[in-house]
Amino acid sequence: GQNIDQPTEMTATEGAIVQINCTYQTSGFNGLFWYQQHAGEAPTFLSYNVLDGLEEKGRFSSFLSRSKGYSYLLLKELQMKDSASYLCAVTRDSNYQLIWGAGTKLIIKP
Amino acid sequence: SAVISQKPSRDICQRGTSLTIQCQVDSQVTMMFWYRQQPGQSLTLIATANQGSEATYESGFVIDKFPISRPNLTFSTLTVSNMSPEDSSIYLCSVEAGVNTEAFFGQGTRLTVV
Repeated sequence: GQNIDQPTEMTATEGAIVQINCTYQTSGFNGLFWYQQHAGEAPTFLSYNVLDGLEEKGRFSSFLSRSKGYSYLLLKELQMKDSASYLCAVTRDSNYQLIWGAGTKLIIKP
Repeated sequence: SAVISQKPSRDICQRGTSLTIQCQVDSQVTMMFWYRQQPGQSLTLIATANQGSEATYESGFVIDKFPISRPNLTFSTLTVSNMSPEDSSIYLCSVEAGVNTEAFFGQGTRLTVV
């Protein structure tokens, strides 16, 4: 079977750093996506990891450990506009379909 | 990349009626996906729409309730039939350009059934 776990909700302070974790169990794992979704809007792409290690993109970084079935999204210098849900999703070999986590609602406080 | 135009963006419908949601893509894509997202929840895949064949439905979703058309490689519709308040949700269409390529989404349709 397949299973993706993320915390339901997290709270952080403006200007700080927050790490959102995602663990997965899936056969034929190929890669992992992170998406950002503001309330009432469609998800938007943030990052994609296939190989182990850290991918940095501005204030956002994403890490993957294939052996541990683990990823995290790191957000630095938090801004109020970063308040959103963050979804991780995995892809499997030879399959166009994404398997989605339940999402983590991130609340930023001044 | 792919740009998807989805409409309507929102609607309020009477129970027992049906609503058809359209998605137009600016390029040809093999597969289109229809999702439902209930308030505070993640994305739930309804079905995968393939051009020239019947859609493939996920467990818990049936063709009579959610008929899908895919007449060509750039267009698809999802109909929510015989609606009830439980169908109130956001419906999203999505395309993936290929294996391991990011998914692109339409703007979503916010449906309220009264």
